[in-house]
Amino acid sequence: GESVGLHLPTLSVQEGDNSIINCAYSNSASDYFIWYKQESGKGPQFIIDIRSNMDKRQGQRVTVLLNKTVKHLSLQIAATQPGDSAVYFCAENNNAGNMLTFGGGTRLMVKP
Amino acid sequence: EAQVTQNPRYLITVTGKKLTVTCSQNMNHEYMSWYRQDPGLGLRQIYYSMNVEATDKGDVPEGYKVSRKEKRNFPLILESPSPNQTSLYFCASKKGGGTDTQYFGPGTRLTVL
Repeated sequence: GESVGLHLPTLSVQEGDNSIINCAYSNSASDYFIWYKQESGKGPQFIIDIRSNMDKRQGQRVTVLLNKTVKHLSLQIAATQPGDSAVYFCAENNNAGNMLTFGGGTRLMVKP
Repeated sequence: EAQVTQNPRYLITVTGKKLTVTCSQNMNHEYMSWYRQDPGLGLRQIYYSMNVEATDKGDVPEGYKVSRKEKRNFPLILESPSPNQTSLYFCASKKGGGTDTQYFGPGTRLTVL
């Protein structure tokens, strides 16, 4: 598969544990944020999003938290599974939705 | 099946030899975009297009051209590739502007010698 990054921060968790992946964004004017999952050899896949007028949003096994004061975003994955192993990127939406700025990514490794 | 396709998936070329990477989507999306992905830098936007005949620069447009003559296709053109354009390229599309979900293609690994 394609290598997506040789120097990514790595989070290693035990199967069944909860995972928390963090992201700092740069533009205080950004109004929409997205988390993507990228598996080896594939393009990024949408996981969950959140608008700037919210501070928490929940999906299936995933929760995104937004702290606009410190420009911080986190992705929480409950009961992490081997299939969750991937690189996770946060992205902020700029220019009225026309441009996405991605963070550097975090590699999640799930130990059986 | 709704998808974004890219061709070729892998390409090795030499400096200065013009190349085109094609991108096509079958979802009738108005918005399309190109990104490059490099180790430690995440994905960076090269160009985007809001609709046919409407293209705009992203964060790293230097050395690239695009065209949008048809809604479904958004080719990326490297007129004179250089080694610093060796990268993994992704095409993406979404229904419109704003907060619509963006769908990514499988990627094209380009090596410029």
